[in-house]
Amino acid sequence: DAGITQSPRYKITETGRQVTLMCHQTWSHSYMFWYRQDLGHGLRLIYYSAAADITDKGEVPDGYVVSRSKTENFPLTLESATRSQTSVYFCASSVGEWDYGYTFGSGTRLTVV
Amino acid sequence: QQPVQSPQAVILREGEDAVINCSSSKALYSVHWYRQKHGEAPVFLMILLKGGEQKGHDKISASFNEKKQQSSLYLTASQLSYSGTYFCGTVIIQGAQKLVFGQGTRLTINP
Repeated sequence: DAGITQSPRYKITETGRQVTLMCHQTWSHSYMFWYRQDLGHGLRLIYYSAAADITDKGEVPDGYVVSRSKTENFPLTLESATRSQTSVYFCASSVGEWDYGYTFGSGTRLTVV
Repeated sequence: QQPVQSPQAVILREGEDAVINCSSSKALYSVHWYRQKHGEAPVFLMILLKGGEQKGHDKISASFNEKKQQSSLYLTASQLSYSGTYFCGTVIIQGAQKLVFGQGTRLTINP
């Protein structure tokens, strides 16, 4: 099916573990984004990518790593999870960086214990 | 750089109108509007670009005052389905051209 999908939907992990959140889109959109959403902070940009092999930091990149070897996939890795990274993570894609609307995935609710 | 939204929350009866405002301290390339229902992903409503172009929703309107660096979202004859949290996102002209979201406005529509 066409769209943008995230997996897993829910994840519980322990402090210090590495965890990877997956994002896959079928539209061949050039731009992909990772946001985290926390109460009181709204949506904050973690990383974004303009094309395969091109990534850049957003507002809150510390503790996260991204890669984009293929246009359709944009995984987000927490190298050593901390409790402060407990959040809902949304992936989004778009035709343009800021002049077209973004389509968001369903989100991954991550809990770090 | 985060835009400021007002009001933070509003409660209406079905059929009433609502206006949600989004204000930036910097000159803007574009303003996005999204709606998010509880437990769901944000959904794109519309985008307003510097120069007057608009793209988006047929039943929702918005304005963009470039001089004042403000945008307003107009929800007329509100329906129960309009309930949710509305986010504006702005891209400023100077500096990194990233979409930064406001804190959101929670809209509740009662029958």
